Amino acid sequence: DQQVKQNSPSLSVQEGRISILNCDYTNSMFDYFLWYKKYPAEGPTFLISISSIKDKNEDGRFTVFLNKSAKHLSLHIVPSQPGDSAVYFCAASSAGTASKLTFGTGTRLQVTL
Amino acid sequence: DGGITQSPKYLFRKEGQNVTLSCEQNLNHDAMYWYRQDPGQGLRLIYYSQIVNDFQKGDIAEGYSVSREKKESFPLTVTSAQKNPTAFYLCASSIRGQISNQPQHFGDGTRLSIL
Repeated sequence: DQQVKQNSPSLSVQEGRISILNCDYTNSMFDYFLWYKKYPAEGPTFLISISSIKDKNEDGRFTVFLNKSAKHLSLHIVPSQPGDSAVYFCAASSAGTASKLTFGTGTRLQVTL
Repeated sequence: DGGITQSPKYLFRKEGQNVTLSCEQNLNHDAMYWYRQDPGQGLRLIYYSQIVNDFQKGDIAEGYSVSREKKESFPLTVTSAQKNPTAFYLCASSIRGQISNQPQHFGDGTRLSIL
């Protein structure tokens, strides 16, 4: 049972444009959501997170939006840069679960010149 | 520099052998985790430890074992009982295990292959 879903395996965006990566979840107990960026043969790097008490969190070029009623979150990258090309994973956890994360399957973002 | 060190980066194992993957952190984090990543899939939790001398099974613990004798170390043993051990293994840590709303920080992984 895939509790965190990233339905787009890949996304291609031109440099300077906005990248929007989407994530859906099914477990209503999730209350903390994270985005990680991963290059090949490296570990994921934490990008940004959001608590369920918020609907938006912004950090520089990265903004995460949370729609609890739709059980949907998205990561916006503006403007996109070639160095943003990587696989992006969304993850979720719930209180009392020892910060255990449930990951989506990832979206490969390619930023073209 | 503080961080998580996984070694070796590449590891080869013969059929029927046990092999141990190392994970060391100098972040003074209480909690540590082991994940497995297969091609086209997300990360799946193998084992986690919230505190020294304590650990719990994750979603796919069969064929694996761990120990947590020191705060900074959380080695993972892939036993011969693991039927499909070829994968990319990632170790992570977070400040406190009992409290949510904390990111996990990852090492650079070990790729295990069966000869």
